[in-house]
Amino acid sequence: QQQAKQSPQSLIVQKGGISIINCAYENTAFDYFPWYQQFPGKGPALLIAIRPDVSEKKEGRFTISFNKSAKQFSLHIMDSQPGDSATYFCAASSSLRGSYIPTFGRGTSLIVHP
Amino acid sequence: GAGVSQSPSNKVTEKGKDVELRCDPISGHTALYWYRQSLGQGLEFLIYFQGNSAPDKSGLPSDRFSAERTGGSVSTLTIQRTQQEDSAVYLCASSLSGGVGDTQYFGPGTRLTVL
Repeated sequence: QQQAKQSPQSLIVQKGGISIINCAYENTAFDYFPWYQQFPGKGPALLIAIRPDVSEKKEGRFTISFNKSAKQFSLHIMDSQPGDSATYFCAASSSLRGSYIPTFGRGTSLIVHP
Repeated sequence: GAGVSQSPSNKVTEKGKDVELRCDPISGHTALYWYRQSLGQGLEFLIYFQGNSAPDKSGLPSDRFSAERTGGSVSTLTIQRTQQEDSAVYLCASSLSGGVGDTQYFGPGTRLTVL
């Protein structure tokens, strides 16, 4: 059962463009939504995360937009660079469970052309 | 400081053999997680250790899979009688206390290939 539906599966953008990756969740108990970045041969690394008490969080070129009513959140990468080429995973978890065991999306392969 | 390390980085085995995968978490981290990453399938939770509490084994796909964590530090994931569908990258992660919002730090993974 996939509880975090991520799209698109792959994305190609030109350098300087905006990359947008979307994630939809089902469980209304989810209250922590991180995005992870994974380079080939490496483990995922936390990129940015948001809680549902805010609608947007920005860190440098990376922004999470959160829509609680639609149960969706998205990652925006502004001024995309070739070094951003990686696989991105959304995740969601609930503090009600008492531990942080996230549900992950299936990943988006991003390629940024120079 | 050192991050999460895993060994071996690659493991090729024959169907039916047992394999052991090792994870060394970040020193001082009480929470440890194992995930399986299959191509195009995202990360699948397997098992979670938190301090001295009983592990959460709810993600283990079958009784061929088991894991232990000795001394609250190193963890070993064991797969008995491996099957071809076990081929995947096995990732280990640790966090300071396992709470929501605690950053998980992942190791580089062990790529398991079952022939």
